[in-house]
Amino acid sequence: AAGVIQSPRHLIKEKRETATLKCYPIPRHDTVYWYQQGPGQDPQFLISFYEKMQSDKGSIPDRFSAQQFSDYHSELNMSSLELGDSALYFCASSPSGRVVGTEAFFGQGTRLTVV
Amino acid sequence: SQQGEEDPQALSIQEGENATMNCSYKTSINNLQWYRQNSGRGLVHLILIRSNEREKHSGRLRVTLDTSKKSSSLLITASRAADTASYFCATVAYGGATNKLIFGTGTLLAVQP
Repeated sequence: AAGVIQSPRHLIKEKRETATLKCYPIPRHDTVYWYQQGPGQDPQFLISFYEKMQSDKGSIPDRFSAQQFSDYHSELNMSSLELGDSALYFCASSPSGRVVGTEAFFGQGTRLTVV
Repeated sequence: SQQGEEDPQALSIQEGENATMNCSYKTSINNLQWYRQNSGRGLVHLILIRSNEREKHSGRLRVTLDTSKKSSSLLITASRAADTASYFCATVAYGGATNKLIFGTGTLLAVQP
């Protein structure tokens, strides 16, 4: 069965550079979530989209932006990268964010290292 | 953590033993979910329990929920070395048009063969 696809799997950037992370949700899933997980930390909610509209915003820095496109894939853009941005970035999708009690399906994550 | 704490933070047991992990949360919830994460990998959904349920089973997993104490526990029976992973509870909070998952700190479980 198709899963959530994230690319790239690994990314190394220098400080002050820009990074773009991509997420392809499971087909017919209309909701995408982004999470950041630092070393030994729990996943922190960044932002979510439902039907291509931003629906929730968590602890996402102003340097980050995201969008969901017409084909439901999503991109997380990160500018002016800092060493502290080094983390695993997960994307998750669910069949309908409006439906309570729905599990989220996570991708394998993008490991971003800022040097 | 954005939501709550899990204890213990780390647990080491022998194969065949049971493992119990606890989770506390802060806000009112619609449901609580448990996820498993192998080192550096994605999170895998294990089980979901709704706020009007007190106990749920799935294979070797048993989850309890006490909404009056805002706590949940995950029991893994007859553990195997392959169960070694981090386990997170996540609560569904309401916000905007979606139900976002808020994760607890996680318990690192090591099952010794």
